[in-house]
Amino acid sequence: SAVISQKPSRDICQRGTSLTIQCQVDSQVTMMFWYRQQPGQSLTLIATANQGSEATYESGFVIDKFPISRPNLTFSTLTVSNMSPEDSSIYLCSVEVPPGGSGGFHNEQFFGPGTRLTVL
Amino acid sequence: DAKTTQPPSMDCAEGRAANLPCNHSTISGNEYVYWYRQIHSQGPQYIIHGLKNNETNEMASLIITEDRKSSTLILPHATLRDTAVYYCIPKGSMGKIIFGKGTRLHILP
Repeated sequence: SAVISQKPSRDICQRGTSLTIQCQVDSQVTMMFWYRQQPGQSLTLIATANQGSEATYESGFVIDKFPISRPNLTFSTLTVSNMSPEDSSIYLCSVEVPPGGSGGFHNEQFFGPGTRLTVL
Repeated sequence: DAKTTQPPSMDCAEGRAANLPCNHSTISGNEYVYWYRQIHSQGPQYIIHGLKNNETNEMASLIITEDRKSSTLILPHATLRDTAVYYCIPKGSMGKIIFGKGTRLHILP
């Protein structure tokens, strides 16, 4: 398994500002993901962040708006730039880890607790 | 990625078995069926996954039809803490977790 922490847990920001969300994992992982969950909605994948390479963004998300850093195998940041009220969401970090010692053969994906962002 | 169809909501009495269906008729041969749930104000939690055989773990059982076009997640003795949104997600070994709308399960006391 993997234990994921995110900072901040929540924040209230003004329109036009930027917020950087941190994701820390207790073990080294290759693949990290960032998701957004708008109020009352399901999770939407923003991008995949692999250490040592540029993040890969899903359709509808761009690097200028959501720059991502992945400096090592246990840490990543997501910045929400030039925020507007439409960016009010929960932002979740997720990691993929190899199967555990039980002999499983399919990677498992774990999720952090999320960062609740409100933009005024 | 295969698309899924799940009922938007279901009710189940506490102590009874909760059976959550999922249709994934376009699933690829190399895609597994994963189930996650999201309890209010928490991140999604992995429940179980399978390819074509039925699977059971300490949380649930997964029944996959022989043609793999649908599956059912079974919570054998539902408790109030099982109230959550349940997501059925087809995923390949190198694929990403893509969430659909899920089923909102209400466990009734």
